[in-house]
Amino acid sequence: GAVVSQHPSRVICKSGTSVKIECRSLDFQATTMFWYRQFPKQSLMLMATSNEGSKATYEQGVEKDKFLINHASLTLSTLTVASAHPEDSSFYICSGRERTNTGELFFGEGSRLTVL
Amino acid sequence: GNSVTQMEGPVTLSEEAFLTINCTYTATGYPSLFWYVQYPGEGLQLLLKATKADDKGSNKGFEATYRKETTSFHLEKGSVQVSDSAVYFCALILAYSGNTPLVFGKGTRLSVIA
Repeated sequence: GAVVSQHPSRVICKSGTSVKIECRSLDFQATTMFWYRQFPKQSLMLMATSNEGSKATYEQGVEKDKFLINHASLTLSTLTVASAHPEDSSFYICSGRERTNTGELFFGEGSRLTVL
Repeated sequence: GNSVTQMEGPVTLSEEAFLTINCTYTATGYPSLFWYVQYPGEGLQLLLKATKADDKGSNKGFEATYRKETTSFHLEKGSVQVSDSAVYFCALILAYSGNTPLVFGKGTRLSVIA
């Protein structure tokens, strides 16, 4: 299947700093990117959907000023956690879909954020 | 709305045991169904999928059949290995439009012991 590379895989930061997570589709053009958050022992919660060149659409309850998503190109989307706090500690996973497919999403490896 | 219900875990099996992880869905139309697997510390990988009723998805010894009459997509494997220890997610998607996300179940953790 297609490859999505997510970086960094792990990041530890101090409270109040901002953290950027990159998600790259390596062998396809991801017209749509989805960002999920996974809490321990729980399922994936969809945070936002972004289309290349457009503003992201956030799910209810997700703060758009806290979780800044940029999808400037067909191969790169970024999630910036602004002024991170300990409650933002989580596993963040991106996934991409190309224009023509049968619904399958290709997932990045995930990024574990720990805010001290 | 659309939703996926999986059996609660964790499931602990001995090596070579038979595995079944139940998955049922509720959807307003005819979804495509997926099983994803997440190994420790990693992201999700597609395990198998089925796009219409009576389709059987299979991969790495795992199988699941799309049962419209029971709205189910149970995952099975005849003989599990220690390397199968992971969290398994059942998921559906209702339409193939670009912005439609997958709807996931809560995941079932499988531990296989030697």
